[in-house]
Amino acid sequence: DQQVKQNSPSLSVQEGRISILNCDYTNSMFDYFLWYKKYPAEGPTFLISISSIKDKNEDGRFTVFLNKSAKHLSLHIVPSQPGDSAVYFCADDRGKLIFGQGTELSVKP
Amino acid sequence: DTAVSQTPKYLVTQMGNDKSIKCEQNLGHDTMYWYKQDSKKFLKIMFSYNNKELIINETVPNRFSPKSPDKAHLNLHINSLELGDSAVYFCASSQDTRGRYTFGSGTRLTVV
Repeated sequence: DQQVKQNSPSLSVQEGRISILNCDYTNSMFDYFLWYKKYPAEGPTFLISISSIKDKNEDGRFTVFLNKSAKHLSLHIVPSQPGDSAVYFCADDRGKLIFGQGTELSVKP
Repeated sequence: DTAVSQTPKYLVTQMGNDKSIKCEQNLGHDTMYWYKQDSKKFLKIMFSYNNKELIINETVPNRFSPKSPDKAHLNLHINSLELGDSAVYFCASSQDTRGRYTFGSGTRLTVV
């Protein structure tokens, strides 16, 4: 039973524009969410996180928004750069990381 | 200097064989994990060890046996390999920093 869902397998964005990656979760018990980024032939790397006591967390070009009533979080990348092209996973932390299926972002020059 | 290193990077083997994947971390972390990424790209946790003690054991066949000789090492031994074991296996470590894991670069296992 997938507790964290990313319904878009892929997203293509023009360089300089905003990328928005979405994630839905089903279990409100867990109150800490993370985004990981993965390049081919590498392991996932931590990108940004958010606690349920906040609705927004920002780190440079990356912002994560949490909508608890909708059980939805999103990652905004602005402006998008070609080097951002990767697979992005959302995850919840319940003493172990549970990942969504991933969204492959392609940023075109 | 690699933080979490896995060997080998690639492993091709025949059905029925036994193989091991090794993982070492030099970050001083207390907790280590094995994740499996299948052909559909799902990343699923298999095992977790904290200071050499098994703390998470997901629904994984008994053919998979993790071993942690010390807190810097977590190896994965697989007996009687099956075609369905073909996947990328990732090792990771953490230091209780709320889900901030450091992953290795993965071992691509192909069973033929």
